[in-house]
Amino acid sequence: DSGVTQTPKHLITATGQRVTLRCSPRSGDLSVYWYQQSLDQGLQFLIHYYNGEERAKGNILERFSAQQFPDLHSELNLSSLELGDSALYFCASSVFKGRSEAFFGQGTRLTVV
Amino acid sequence: GENVEQHPSTLSVQEGDSAVIKCTYSDSASNYFPWYKQELGKGPQLIIDIRSNVGEKKDQRIAVTLNKTAKHFSLHITETQPEDSAVYFCAAVPGDQFYFGTGTSLTVIP
Repeated sequence: DSGVTQTPKHLITATGQRVTLRCSPRSGDLSVYWYQQSLDQGLQFLIHYYNGEERAKGNILERFSAQQFPDLHSELNLSSLELGDSALYFCASSVFKGRSEAFFGQGTRLTVV
Repeated sequence: GENVEQHPSTLSVQEGDSAVIKCTYSDSASNYFPWYKQELGKGPQLIIDIRSNVGEKKDQRIAVTLNKTAKHFSLHITETQPEDSAVYFCAAVPGDQFYFGTGTSLTVIP
């Protein structure tokens, strides 16, 4: 158990809908990273938050947004969902902004039908 | 930005043999290099990491080597076991961000 909690574990929704994925980082970790992993693909970086502030954006679509709350949990919002958004979504947390260990959650498997 | 290349993409070894996975990076500012193991349907798990002030690090059957001059680092798994079968990702960290390789699918044949 990495200590990073993601909910829900599975999500099935229809095209055009909106969903929210939640990540609770390890106790004491200030950084949260979000990644998308499509079938048999690598880890595509979406966005990074540190202590409530956005630090960097990767290949995140305009339909997607995220935030980190004062209690340090983070949410990834996906809207106007398309079939191609079906993927595993992971968050990872670390103590600092980088150059320190990052631990991944078990992921949310999103299926868009 | 940083570019990480990982080879091979797939690797099959007999149980008990060694496995080596290699990564190269481009940004000389990278000074932290973690390795992750991802089993089917699970999140990546940190298995070993190395910082740029160290050339080699070992943890039981797993070792990582780093050559800063050549900008490459490698994962070595000795005495492989079936439970080592998974996808392995390397990463290089020059600042805030983790830049991941494309992954190596390791299969250990009993």
